[in-house]
Amino acid sequence: DSGVTQTPKHLITATGQRVTLRCSPRSGDLSVYWYQQSLDQGLQFLIQYYNGEERAKGNILERFSAQQFPDLHSELNLSSLELGDSALYFCASSVGRGQETQYFGPGTRLLVL
Amino acid sequence: AQRVTQPEKLLSVFKGAPVELKCNYSYSGSPELFWYVQYSRQRLQLLLRHISRESIKGFTADLNKGETSFHLKKPFAQEEDSAMYYCACLRAGGTSYGKLTFGQGTILTVHP
Repeated sequence: DSGVTQTPKHLITATGQRVTLRCSPRSGDLSVYWYQQSLDQGLQFLIQYYNGEERAKGNILERFSAQQFPDLHSELNLSSLELGDSALYFCASSVGRGQETQYFGPGTRLLVL
Repeated sequence: AQRVTQPEKLLSVFKGAPVELKCNYSYSGSPELFWYVQYSRQRLQLLLRHISRESIKGFTADLNKGETSFHLKKPFAQEEDSAMYYCACLRAGGTSYGKLTFGQGTILTVHP
């Protein structure tokens, strides 16, 4: 499967903890995007990286951070977790800087207890 | 700020009936509009992008700049069309931001 991959699929953790979500983009794609999907907020854009550099920022909390590595995979770090951080976190990728179609990964379901 | 509104949370139709999922956007520039579909327990998949003018799985969508709408239509719904549908807006041009703004989604159920 040469599509976007995300690990882990599921994550259960406790409040106050820190987790790392990982995303590998489609082969050849340089941009990676992170979205949060929750029942009350819907699908919200968090952040975009293009070829290792932050390109656009959305409603991302200060407790959250992301980076894109030289091999173009990306990690989203969530710290000091709260119950309200429970959500589905999607990664997407696209070939260029942001005007192209974004292809989504299967998501990581995070449950904070 | 960009905003995408999908007024219907739930939409039910019978197989073979026409279906229209509504989407209105609020954006002052020239946006690009998309429809994504999410089948049960699957990832979001692109259904349509307005600039491509393609018809995917029988669905079409026309961008109406006057009404700022991008409604999704299919003349004859099939049971396999049952899914969550998201309308999304991307700012076009300028500094090429990649932020997709999504509507709240519409759950379409097609009954046999």
